[in-house]
Parts: sequence; structure tokens; C-alpha cells
Amino acid sequence: EPEVTQTPSHQVTQMGQEVILRCVPISNHLYFYWYRQILGQKVEFLVSFYNNEISEKSEIFDDQFSVERPDGSNFTLKIRSTKLEDSAMYFCANRDGAYNEQFFGPGTRLTVL
Amino acid sequence: AQRVTQPEKLLSVFKGAPVELKCNYSYSGSPELFWYVQYSRQRLQLLLRHISRESIKGFTADLNKGETSFHLKKPFAQEEDSAMYYCALAYNTDKLIFGTGTRLQVFP
Repeated sequence: EPEVTQTPSHQVTQMGQEVILRCVPISNHLYFYWYRQILGQKVEFLVSFYNNEISEKSEIFDDQFSVERPDGSNFTLKIRSTKLEDSAMYFCANRDGAYNEQFFGPGTRLTVL
Repeated sequence: AQRVTQPEKLLSVFKGAPVELKCNYSYSGSPELFWYVQYSRQRLQLLLRHISRESIKGFTADLNKGETSFHLKKPFAQEEDSAMYYCALAYNTDKLIFGTGTRLQVFP
């Protein structure tokens, strides 16, 4: 059964540095999402992406964040200048157009020091 | 505002006991609700969606629009059911709004 993959599994970075989190979605899925979960808190929506553009973004998704599909397969989340409060698990998810079930990746744990 | 509430952070039961994980939602439109499960060190995976009205691994959940609830139930808990359970609402049939999750512990 196809699965969503994410790399790296764990990323440690210094405050102010740029990070890129990568996701390989299930092929033929059309809708892509990023969520994050700060330790001990709920899973929060960050952004949705369809047809090579952002469909919706949350208040969390400020100018420091960006998403793209650089090669038509990978789906990336970039944080330009990380802050301590960006430390969280980041989950990529995607779905096909027929159902609303979202398939999640295993997550990337981001630690900002 | 759209919101999903899971009032219990932790639910502990013995094997064979019935389980009910509570979920209430607030949504002005027609809701589409899901239960996701996360076993230890594994990814979030879909357990149930209300529109399919199915039973997965012995779990069922019924949407009660009058009470705005979507509680997850299982008549006889198993040790392998121990996991984090998240109730989620699909907003505008797109993004998911999650509850805070309930950790289910099933003791032998």
C-alpha cells in the first residue's frame, strides 16, 4: 500500500536558520497539506495546496513559511528564519479528489535551539 | 467558530471492558467527521469516517447532530487498542480541525 514519506525524521537547527521539510505524497493525489503539532498540544492546520498554489493558510502560516512542489512530486515546507516556537512535529498529508480522507506522513520533528 | 472537543486526555480501562471516547464538535455547516488513531511511534491513520457508517477493528461511531457529538465506541477493549485517538472535522470539506486527542490505555 502506498504511503506518504517525509524527510528528515528529525531536524535540529539554530534559531534564525532556514529549514526545508520534505514530503513525497502518494502519487495521483491532488490535494496537499501541512499540519504541525507542538508537544502536548493539538494537531493544527498550516496550509493546503492544490493545482500548484495555496488554497488556504492559517494564521500560523505567516511570511516566514512557504510551500512548493519544486519537481512535481516532492512537496516542501520552508521556514525562512526559524524561531524557538517553531519547534514541533510537522506532518504532511494528502488526498485524492474523490474522498476527504487525508493520508498522513510519519512527521518531521523540528527542534529549534 | 469551528471546534472539536475531546474532554478526556486519558482513558484507562481493563481488557474486555467497554470503551467510549467522547467527541463534540461545533460547526455551522454540514459536518464530516473522522476518527484518526496514532499507535506508538506510528503515523496518524484514519480509523473511521462518519459517512461510511462502518465498523473498523470493532470500533463504531455515530454522528448525533442534535447533541453535536461523534463518540467512538467499542464493546470489548483489547490491549492492542492502546493508542492516541483524535477526532477531526473536515472544514469546507478540506482542512481538518482536530481535537486535542484522548490517550486510551488498555490494561491486561
